Amino acid sequence: GQSLEQPSEVTAVEGAIVQINCTYQTSGFYGLSWYQQHDGGAPTFLSYNGLDGLEETGRFSSFLSRSDSYGYLLLQELQMKDSASYFCAVRDSPKGSTLGRLYFGRGTQLTVWP
Amino acid sequence: NAGVTQTPKFQVLKTGQSMTLQCAQDMNHEYMSWYRQDPGMGLRLIHYSVGAGITDQGEVPNGYNVSRSTTEDFPLRLLSAAPSQTSVYFCASSFSGTGGLDGYTFGSGTRLTVV
Repeated sequence: GQSLEQPSEVTAVEGAIVQINCTYQTSGFYGLSWYQQHDGGAPTFLSYNGLDGLEETGRFSSFLSRSDSYGYLLLQELQMKDSASYFCAVRDSPKGSTLGRLYFGRGTQLTVWP
Repeated sequence: NAGVTQTPKFQVLKTGQSMTLQCAQDMNHEYMSWYRQDPGMGLRLIHYSVGAGITDQGEVPNGYNVSRSTTEDFPLRLLSAAPSQTSVYFCASSFSGTGGLDGYTFGSGTRLTVV
């Protein structure tokens, strides 16, 4: 089985930095992903960490510590358009195969104020 | 360059009716999945497929059926709709199925209401 925990809401002002944490428990671990979803829209892929450390993509960075079963998404220079839900996700490792099953946390609603 | 296409976008069903949610992708992805999204529950995996002719259950499979006769299509069937199946349904596909750097590509969703 698997479980992912992330805060339900985070608020910040434009230009600020915000960190969204994710802790996970899985029977096997094959990397942590992050997705963004605007209201009424579809989730879109943001980043992936397969190994420990920080991955940077523009204003967004994602970090993973496998020993702590913990990761975070860091959003810098926040803009109004960053207001959205952010989901962490892990791949399960069912018996016989680890492909095709991606499990999501319940999401963190980020509100950016002007 | 359509990506993942879901139809219909909106649907209202009466309790007990059946219907099929369509999902098609044109990226030659082997891995396809169906998720439902309910407020406060995130995305929950219903069924998934690792290739044509191969499907398996996810977290919440009861009341749903799938088949995968081609690489492109992965329809989701509601056998006898119940109000508890009111939700937003997303289809997703992936090249590698690893959830890694290639990520999952999601369709725009089907908003289903069962009355």
